Amino acid sequence: EAGVTQSPTHLIKTRGQQATLRCSPISGHTSVYWYQQALGLGLQFLLWYDEGEERNRGNFPPRFSGRQFPNYSSELNVNALELEDSALYLCASSLYSQADNEQFFGPGTRLTVL
Amino acid sequence: QKEVEQNSGPLSVPEGAIASLNCTYSDRGSQSFFWYRQYSGKSPELIMFIYSNGDKEDGRFTAQLNKASQYVSLLIRDSQPSDSATYLCAVSTGFQKLVFGTGTRLLVSP
Repeated sequence: EAGVTQSPTHLIKTRGQQATLRCSPISGHTSVYWYQQALGLGLQFLLWYDEGEERNRGNFPPRFSGRQFPNYSSELNVNALELEDSALYLCASSLYSQADNEQFFGPGTRLTVL
Repeated sequence: QKEVEQNSGPLSVPEGAIASLNCTYSDRGSQSFFWYRQYSGKSPELIMFIYSNGDKEDGRFTAQLNKASQYVSLLIRDSQPSDSATYLCAVSTGFQKLVFGTGTRLLVSP
């Protein structure tokens, strides 16, 4: 069974630009989560999507947004990039119906903002 | 106070010893607790989850939960150099949100 996939692996942008990151969940999983892991910091919850809807959002500004497509894949958009947005962005997926909320992570996209 | 706290380490243990990793959390309503392992430059890998008080064993790993003390631990028996990694404690606070600690770095020396 294929795991969570993310693209691209690395992304280099300049300040003020927009970045788009993509994620495909494990087959059968309907929930997709996005996390930011900045250097020296823990994983910070960004967004949760399920069945195409945004269900929960972390303490991030509105320039962090995303969507989930009918095939449950997801896209994270970061507008007006700032230097501190440089981080590893991790996508995870789970079965929403699973009460214990096991989340399985993809390999991540490393975003560098110059 | 951070929602999930872990000692950053590094925790150094010799090969074959028991490694004990600890985590405390602040939200008494937390229901599910997870341990992830993250190798340098890689994404987190789920090791175990626990949601009832007591112990849960899976191979060399044992998770322990004490909700009254708001404390979760992970014991690794017969530690191997390949266990050297950062171990992340995560707590589900409801509405599918996982709150992670900053992780404990474990070093197992041959």
